[in-house]
Amino acid sequence: DTGVSQNPRHKITKRGQNVTFRCDPISEHNRLYWYRQTLGQGPEFLTYFQNEAQLEKSRLLSDRFSAERPKGSFSTLEIQRTEQGDSAMYLCASTANSASTDTQYFGPGTRLTVL
Amino acid sequence: KQEVTQIPAALSVPEGENLVLNCSFTDSAIYNLQWFRQDPGKGLTSLLLIQSSQREQTSGRLNASLDKSSGRSTLYIAASQPGDSATYLCAVSEGGGNKLTFGTGTQLKVEL
Repeated sequence: DTGVSQNPRHKITKRGQNVTFRCDPISEHNRLYWYRQTLGQGPEFLTYFQNEAQLEKSRLLSDRFSAERPKGSFSTLEIQRTEQGDSAMYLCASTANSASTDTQYFGPGTRLTVL
Repeated sequence: KQEVTQIPAALSVPEGENLVLNCSFTDSAIYNLQWFRQDPGKGLTSLLLIQSSQREQTSGRLNASLDKSSGRSTLYIAASQPGDSATYLCAVSEGGGNKLTFGTGTQLKVEL
């Protein structure tokens, strides 16, 4: 499978616990994006990386959230001290290069449920 | 702040009908517009991308148009099939990072 992959696909956790999600982009895609989608809404931008550099973060990304892409390949998104409001689908996308016209390819998402 | 609106929110049509989904955006300074399909509980599948300099793109039974100056796009689906049932999302790309701003989607049901 050469598409964007995300793990785990589902995560159930108790409030206050930390969780970490992983995204593996399409090989050689140097831009990687994280989005969050709640029920009945469109995805909302969280952050993006150009290679290993995190270039932009949304106001939605509170200080409990941290994202990394240490070697410019896979990325992780960690949420500390989870809250019920963090329950959502977390989507990852990648593009081939920095050209503004490139299609973003999305992974299947990680569905987080915080009890 | 860019806002993207999709009308209608839901649509039910009989198989074989041609249909149009609408998308509007408030800030015309976009790089491109993408239409996506999302099946329940799944990720997004890209359908069409229209660059800001283009007027339309076609793929099979799908045709998307873009009127950047008026902030509108339409997705035309010809000869709809039950397999087309899904939520259709439009998103505009802006800013140096090409981040996407999405609408809330149109939930389409094509009935036999």
